[in-house]
Amino acid sequence: GNSVTQMEGPVTLSEEAFLTINCTYTATGYPSLFWYVQYPGEGLQLLLKATKADDKGSNKGFEATYRKETTSFHLEKGSVQVSDSAVYFCALSDRANSKLTFGKGITLSVRP
Amino acid sequence: GAVVSQHPSRVICKSGTSVKIECRSLDFQATTMFWYRQFPKQSLMLMATSNEGSKATYEQGVEKDKFLINHASLTLSTLTVTSAHPEDSSFYICSARPASGGLDTQYFGPGTRLTVL
Repeated sequence: GNSVTQMEGPVTLSEEAFLTINCTYTATGYPSLFWYVQYPGEGLQLLLKATKADDKGSNKGFEATYRKETTSFHLEKGSVQVSDSAVYFCALSDRANSKLTFGKGITLSVRP
Repeated sequence: GAVVSQHPSRVICKSGTSVKIECRSLDFQATTMFWYRQFPKQSLMLMATSNEGSKATYEQGVEKDKFLINHASLTLSTLTVTSAHPEDSSFYICSARPASGGLDTQYFGPGTRLTVL
């Protein structure tokens, strides 16, 4: 079956630090890949996505590249802000049924 | 736009009672809604998929008689936890797929924290 593995958290960074959150996946076929973000007290929001190999999703300074050869979709940001503090979920969507499979999520805290 | 609400946000009930959770798409019509369950420090687990006007499709291992799902309109789906027990305590999250959106598009509600005493 499909699965998503995220690095263990939580992660605490200083403002303007570089961020990498690792995500690898196992899937049959060629899934679409997503990063969702959940700010305190809010629902999950789509941060970015990529639908095929070598695609790069980007939004709000965050980037992730669909790497088929390493089955990875690592999230990066060059300079984090306090407002980026949230829980980040990596997910994949099975093209056969469009169901989402999520990783465990990782909490990012950015201190001033 | 694309706001999904859930009500209540938090509920505490006694063991043996039933609890209903509502999921509403506020500014769009949703042909499909999804219900997830999230345990502490765990990923979201899909429980069921509901399509407006038809029976919900449950994931393997989810008791359909315990978790009743109704999707009577294009803006409302309900999850009823029947005869709740402490092991049903969890964070329940719904999402909605717009009628006009792609298959990959889901908008999530803020979740409902259920505590069964």
